[in-house]
Amino acid sequence: AQRVTQPEKLLSVFKGAPVELKCNYSYSGSPELFWYVQYSRQRLQLLLRHISRESIKGFTADLNKGETSFHLKKPFAQEEDSAMYYCALIHDYKLSFGAGTTVTVRA
Amino acid sequence: GAGVSQSPSNKVTEKGKDVELRCDPISGHTALYWYRQSLGQGLEFLIYFQGNSAPDKSGLPSDRFSAERTGGSVSTLTIQRTQQEDSAVYLCASSYSGGLGGELFFGEGSRLTVL
Repeated sequence: AQRVTQPEKLLSVFKGAPVELKCNYSYSGSPELFWYVQYSRQRLQLLLRHISRESIKGFTADLNKGETSFHLKKPFAQEEDSAMYYCALIHDYKLSFGAGTTVTVRA
Repeated sequence: GAGVSQSPSNKVTEKGKDVELRCDPISGHTALYWYRQSLGQGLEFLIYFQGNSAPDKSGLPSDRFSAERTGGSVSTLTIQRTQQEDSAVYLCASSYSGGLGGELFFGEGSRLTVL
């Protein structure tokens, strides 16, 4: 069963515009969710986790249990935000990832 | 080294041949994971090790795939009789504890191309 859904494969925004990456999950327990990012020619790395409730590189993500969503947002996108973003859910001691969203920020 | 190390970084093989992919996790990390990254498929979980044992092999696509881990450190993913659909980037990740809250640290991946 698909546990993490990222409906957008590609997202293109202009520099300075807001960006929102959608993530929906399916999980019966108390979810623990993450956003991972892969910049061009770099390793996949953790961007943020919902339990930390932190802002990293200007990105925030709020867990909405009612809508089973964990959307990633940034009010003003920068060119260096261009990357592949994956939403992930921990269950059974492993991370299940969504299909990923490729973000392109245009000047 | 400071990070997860994978080899080879690139492997081109002929259909039907066997391949071995190696992962050297961060020292002290007890949990080790293999994922497969394909275009349009996202990251597909293959197998998880805690120490030398594999409590979850549920993601291995077929019996042509196997993995082992020795000494609680290096892991090898073996694909026998490779098929073209096995072409993908194989990612290894390690974690200090596995389980809830553990951040995964990924290697750069091994890109496999089956001709």
